[in-house]
Amino acid sequence: GAVVSQHPSWVICKSGTSVKIECRSLDFQATTMFWYRQFPKQSLMLMATSNEGSKATYEQGVEKDKFLINHASLTLSTLTVTSAHPEDSSFYICSADGQGQETQYFGPGTRLLVL
Amino acid sequence: DAKTTQPPSMDCAEGRAANLPCNHSTISGNEYVYWYRQIHSQGPQYIIHGLKNNETNEMASLIITEDRKSSTLILPHATLRDTAVYYCIVKAAGNKLTFGGGTRVLVKP
Repeated sequence: GAVVSQHPSWVICKSGTSVKIECRSLDFQATTMFWYRQFPKQSLMLMATSNEGSKATYEQGVEKDKFLINHASLTLSTLTVTSAHPEDSSFYICSADGQGQETQYFGPGTRLLVL
Repeated sequence: DAKTTQPPSMDCAEGRAANLPCNHSTISGNEYVYWYRQIHSQGPQYIIHGLKNNETNEMASLIITEDRKSSTLILPHATLRDTAVYYCIVKAAGNKLTFGGGTRVLVKP
């Protein structure tokens, strides 16, 4: 299957700071990337969908000004959690879909802890 | 996309086949059945998908009933590394993946 990477794998930050998470498709061009959030013992919840070169589409209840998504190239999407608070602590996972791919492939996830 | 129903958990013995059921009685003709799994603290891993024919790859086999209202994922020889949450998802091409509760599979020695 296709390979998707995320960086960093984990991050600890102070409340009020911003954190950027990168998602890269390593061996294919990702026309669409997705960002999910997963709280402990819960399933994945889709936050937003981004297409290369256009604005992201956010799911209901997800604050677009708090979770900034940029998909500037066919291999890179970034999620910035602005003014992070402890309740934003979660496991953030990206996935990518593209030409020639049968389905979405997921990154390994980024664990965020906001103190 | 159609909703799926999976048992919340199941145990299976190492070395034996693991059969994971999924009900999707409201599936539409253009919707595929996808299976992913998530090992603890990792991103989901794609396993297999199918439309109406049975499918097999190096990881698993997917058996879809003739009426397409249910399917079974078969792990032919379960290992301890197959312990994970398995998600059955039904969706049409181009639509989003929506994760339900999945089945928590514990492979025991």
